[in-house]
Amino acid sequence: EDQVTQSPEALRLQEGESSSLNCSYTVSGLRGLFWYRQDPGKGPEFLFTLYSAGEEKEKERLKATLTKKESFLHITAPKPEDSATYLCAVSGGYQKVTFGIGTKLQVIP
Amino acid sequence: EAQVTQNPRYLITVTGKKLTVTCSQNMNHEYMSWYRQDPGLGLRQIYYSMNVEVTDKGDVPEGYKVSRKEKRNFPLILESPSPNQTSLYFCASRRPSGRKGNEQFFGPGTRLTVL
Repeated sequence: EDQVTQSPEALRLQEGESSSLNCSYTVSGLRGLFWYRQDPGKGPEFLFTLYSAGEEKEKERLKATLTKKESFLHITAPKPEDSATYLCAVSGGYQKVTFGIGTKLQVIP
Repeated sequence: EAQVTQNPRYLITVTGKKLTVTCSQNMNHEYMSWYRQDPGLGLRQIYYSMNVEVTDKGDVPEGYKVSRKEKRNFPLILESPSPNQTSLYFCASRRPSGRKGNEQFFGPGTRLTVL
């Protein structure tokens, strides 16, 4: 059974204080690891897809990396508008997608 | 504008009264999926469909039905809703797995309360 564990559950940062979110996973036949951002009461918004260990992707202040067992979402010099819940998900060999519970990020001005 | 739409956005109903939540996408995606989101449990997949007339169970299919008669539509049916189906529901679509850029696009959500 595919599993995704995200840590920490919640993270509070000062504006400009860089940090990383962790996503540990087990999956049979990784087809893709996804990062999403979700604002309260809204649907998840796609950020990145990573396909193989060693891959990295960047978008503004966010950078996602992937190893064979975990992924990190690095947030550099965050701003208050980066406050949201960040979700990690994996797609295995049977078209199913398994999500983690998410990390709720709060960036304080 | 590329989007996934859901209706209704909010619904309060009573136990046993059949209901349907509609989902439609305008991106010509083959793959569509339904999730429910509950505090402390995250997003859990209910059903998914890889194409017209092809559907399969996700992790929590009990109490739900789906159909895929057209590529753009994927309704979620609750034949006899119960209070434990009170949740926030999301529909999503994407291109088939294996193609680059197969990220899922999510709808805005339907908040369902079953009394």
